[in-house]
Amino acid sequence: ILNVEQSPQSLHVQEGDSTNFTCSFPSSNFYALHWYRWETAKSPEALFVMTLNGDEKKKGRISATLNTKEGYSYLYIKGSQPEDSATYLCASITYNNNDMRFGAGTRLTVKP
Amino acid sequence: DVKVTQSSRYLVKRTGEKVFLECVQDMDHENMFWYRQDPGLGLRLIYFSYDVKMKEKGDIPEGYSVSREKKERFSLILESASTNQTSMYLCASSFRAGGETQYFGPGTRLLVL
Repeated sequence: ILNVEQSPQSLHVQEGDSTNFTCSFPSSNFYALHWYRWETAKSPEALFVMTLNGDEKKKGRISATLNTKEGYSYLYIKGSQPEDSATYLCASITYNNNDMRFGAGTRLTVKP
Repeated sequence: DVKVTQSSRYLVKRTGEKVFLECVQDMDHENMFWYRQDPGLGLRLIYFSYDVKMKEKGDIPEGYSVSREKKERFSLILESASTNQTSMYLCASSFRAGGETQYFGPGTRLLVL
């Protein structure tokens, strides 16, 4: 089973702080890496899909980078706001597996 | 927008009961998935389906079965609920397999007493 790991498990920051967290995944047979955001009482929503080494994606204050050779992705949030509070999930897909393998998530709490 | 709905947000059942969790998607997606999520663990795939009447086991199919009689509906069945099946259950769909973005329902929190 593909082992996707996320760190830290949880994170508390003050409003206005910038923060980042990590997703690591086995790099062999890599196909794609997904980031999802899961707010309490809502459905997980797709943030980014990344496939190429060196990829960088951005959506507003949130951005992500991808290193497929060493098997990690960083998610950055600039100037965190309370509405950024959520669990951020990453999921990896390999060429020999059609299904996504999810990490346990990083739970972010932004205090006003 | 894709909409994935699940029949219940919260369910309380007794050990040994048969439990049905229903999932419906409205975007004509081919693929549908059932996951469970437990604290400290990632989403774990129970079953998925890539077409009507087709199903594939995921990582943790034991104690579960599924049904896909119509393209838009994917049901998860707990034949005889046990306390270790207390969990959050998430349904998802995607247009195709192979790395496509999955669209999730809001989840069903199941408590088995």
